Amino acid sequence: ETGVTQTPRHLVMGMTNKKSLKCEQHLGHNAMYWYKQSAKKPLELMFVYNFKEQTENNSVPSRFSPECPNSSHLFLHLHTLQPEDSALYLCASSQDGANNEQFFGPGTRLTVL
Amino acid sequence: AQRVTQPEKLLSVFKGAPVELKCNYSYSGSPELFWYVQYSRQRLQLLLRHISRESIKGFTADLNKGETSFHLKKPFAQEEDSAMYYCALKGAGGTSYGKLTFGQGTILTVHP
Repeated sequence: ETGVTQTPRHLVMGMTNKKSLKCEQHLGHNAMYWYKQSAKKPLELMFVYNFKEQTENNSVPSRFSPECPNSSHLFLHLHTLQPEDSALYLCASSQDGANNEQFFGPGTRLTVL
Repeated sequence: AQRVTQPEKLLSVFKGAPVELKCNYSYSGSPELFWYVQYSRQRLQLLLRHISRESIKGFTADLNKGETSFHLKKPFAQEEDSAMYYCALKGAGGTSYGKLTFGQGTILTVHP
């Protein structure tokens, strides 16, 4: 599959669960991003990885833990989340972190019970 | 700090009417501005950026530094333009380098 893929597309978890979101890009890009899209707030940047190095952590709580093992894969590990963390989590990639168009994945719809 | 404001959450027009989606920004340096669009059941995608100065799907947007605006315009709206539109700003220096900030989004509905 081409472009940016995300799995799972939907996830329901309890507050004590541990789960992970996965993002994969097949575009040869070097920068990857996690965004949070809540119903009543603007799209919020969470993390930026540029050449596998984290270059941005937008004051995200530690219950969200990103991992970027290589330039093609990005994970978001979730632990002891709160109901207010329920949102659409979008992954994106770009050629590099400085410029260029960002290509978005379809998102993972997360519900925390 | 960089901020993007889209004052209209919802915008409805009839087919063939002109449409303007407003975007205002706050940034101390020279920003790069974008419009992203999300059609129903599709992923978010880039529509246009101000440095390209091009028209995409009949849409144009001019960066007005005096008014700190980047409004998206189309002279004759089509039903297929119905979508969620996001204005976004990318900082050019300091701690905001490369960081993309989105507005709240405007849902455009074009009625037949």
